[in-house]
Amino acid sequence: ETGVTQSPTHLIKTRGQQVTLRCSSQSGHNTVSWYQQALGQGPQFIFQYYREEENGRGNFPPRFSGLQFPNYSSELNVNALELDDSALYLCASSLGAGQAPAAFFGQGTRLTVV
Amino acid sequence: SQELEQSPQSLIVQEGKNLTINCTSSKTLYGLYWYKQKYGEGLIFLMMLQKGGEEKSHEKITAKLDEKKQQSSLHITASQPSHAGIYLCGAAGGSNYKLTFGKGTLLTVNP
Repeated sequence: ETGVTQSPTHLIKTRGQQVTLRCSSQSGHNTVSWYQQALGQGPQFIFQYYREEENGRGNFPPRFSGLQFPNYSSELNVNALELDDSALYLCASSLGAGQAPAAFFGQGTRLTVV
Repeated sequence: SQELEQSPQSLIVQEGKNLTINCTSSKTLYGLYWYKQKYGEGLIFLMMLQKGGEEKSHEKITAKLDEKKQQSSLHITASQPSHAGIYLCGAAGGSNYKLTFGKGTLLTVNP
């Protein structure tokens, strides 16, 4: 088992720029979910991908988009960055559509927008 | 939408003391998950509770689910500095594909 890995661990972007965050899922898992955690808050669900298709989305604008690749790794893209996008972004993997990924979270990517 | 309220928001205890963290849901709980998080890091899964009255333990941490009260509690016995961190509860609610989280409880254990 390699676990869920995210890259990069930290990055700083300027308001208006675009950013791509990456996630490699736990071996054998075909579902990836992304969460945003602002400082002092619990994680908020962004969306889930199952077999390369979006399988559910939280209350986030369209400038938050994602991809899942045939090897089940995933990307989170955020366009037109805003200061409020500064947060810890977490991905989690699981096996099967519609399954809340409870056990396997990555270490997160800390995004700072200045 | 489902909301989870955790109490207390923060807690400072002396090493060796017992403590309890509560998580109350605004809707029926279909599954309740407890996590620990070190500041700025990922979530470490502790345990999952699915049935009313269910109780699980891992080392010195015990969690219970009171389905009727839509509430769960996390109890740490004889706390140690290694227990320090943020404890988060999460629930699947009626939608299996996402978890809704509480805001977390910050635990400090003084040696």
